[in-house]
Formats: sequence, C-alpha cells, structure tokens
Amino acid sequence: DVKVTQSSRYLVKRTGEKVFLECVQDMDHENMFWYRQDPGLGLRLIYFSYDVKMKEKGDIPEGYSVSREKKERFSLILESASTNQTSMYLCASSPGTSGRRSYNEQFFGPGTRLTVL
Amino acid sequence: DAKTTQPTSMDCAEGRAANLPCNHSTISGNEYVYWYRQIHSQGPQYIIHGLKNNETNEMASLIITEDRKSSTLILPHATLRDTAVYYCIVRPSLWQGAQKLVFGQGTRLTINP
Repeated sequence: DVKVTQSSRYLVKRTGEKVFLECVQDMDHENMFWYRQDPGLGLRLIYFSYDVKMKEKGDIPEGYSVSREKKERFSLILESASTNQTSMYLCASSPGTSGRRSYNEQFFGPGTRLTVL
Repeated sequence: DAKTTQPTSMDCAEGRAANLPCNHSTISGNEYVYWYRQIHSQGPQYIIHGLKNNETNEMASLIITEDRKSSTLILPHATLRDTAVYYCIVRPSLWQGAQKLVFGQGTRLTINP
C-alpha cells in the first residue's frame, strides 16, 4: 500500500514563526501536492511538484514556499506564520506518466492540523 | 472539469448496501469519474474510478449509466467505519500536468447501527 506520512498530526505555533511541514511518500511517485482544507472552502491547492527540484504554484501560494530536494520528500514552509494560516494541511502524491495514461488517484497523508496563535 | 451534483446527506443501516448517486451531465468523452471519501479528521482516500464500464474493487462498485451523465457508488455491506463524506469528481484521462483535485460539497453518509 502507498504510504504518505506527515511529520505532525497537530502543531501549535506563534505568529511570525517559521514553520516546516514535512511529507514523505514511499511509492516512488513523481507528483506531490500540498493542500489546505478549511470548513466551507473545501480543498485548496497551495503548491505541487512533478519532479525533484520542480515546483508549481497552486491556487493560494501566498505566504508559503516549498522544497523538493528528494523525490520522496516534499516540504511546505510558512515563512512567517499568521493566524489566517490556521488550517488542516494535507499532503498527497500520485504517480506520474511517461507517455502513458495518467492516473488521478492521489494518495493523501493523515493531515497536519496547524494552529497559529 | 465537469461539474458534479450529489445529495448533501444520506443515511444507511449497518450491513445494508449504501448507494450514493452523482450527476455529471456535462461530462466529456475523455473524462473519468472518480470517487474519494474523507473520514472525519483524516485525509481523503481514493475509492474507485471508471470511464464507461462498471468497475468493482475491494472497497466498492461503480455503476455508470450508458449516457455517462450519472453514476452510483455502491458500498455493498456498509459498516460504521464507512461513515464519511463521499466526493464524486470527474477528471480528464490524459496527462495535462500534475492535476489538483477539487472537491465539491460531497455527500455526508452516516451508517447507523
């Protein structure tokens, strides 16, 4: 089974702190994603990566950055945490393609509930 | 991506089959129907997907109408652990870059003892 793990289930940080959220997948997937999920707003894409050292902005990248130095690891960084970044953060991965039909099964981690005070 | 419409909530008795409908009348020829679910306080979980033929796996069955404008996810013997929000989405089959998932409101399924 695909396993996507996230470094913390619950995290409490103070305004202005730099926050690192780590995600690791063990299935050699090419694509990795960071979403946040808020009540009434659904799932929103922050950043994604389709290869090592490659990254693309999603719909709400402001206030975030990412790092993908190794294929299995995708980090989300909050440069200076703010209270409006209190949310559930979800990491996902999916296989890539090499001219084959794509697979849209995204495998999610358990989520990190971040509270910024 | 085509829009989907699902009932807001449904109830089902434990041990019975849960049938969750989804309308996707604007689906185009290259789009697949995907189902995910999200159990409270957990990340979403992929369930099944299909194009036009009915599909079955260890979790569920997917029935797609001949005109592909609607589908039904069937959990054959629902258990209390199947209580979750179920999302139906449609996605193109061809690779178009890493694709984000966009969930609608989904159906909140409650399995009752």
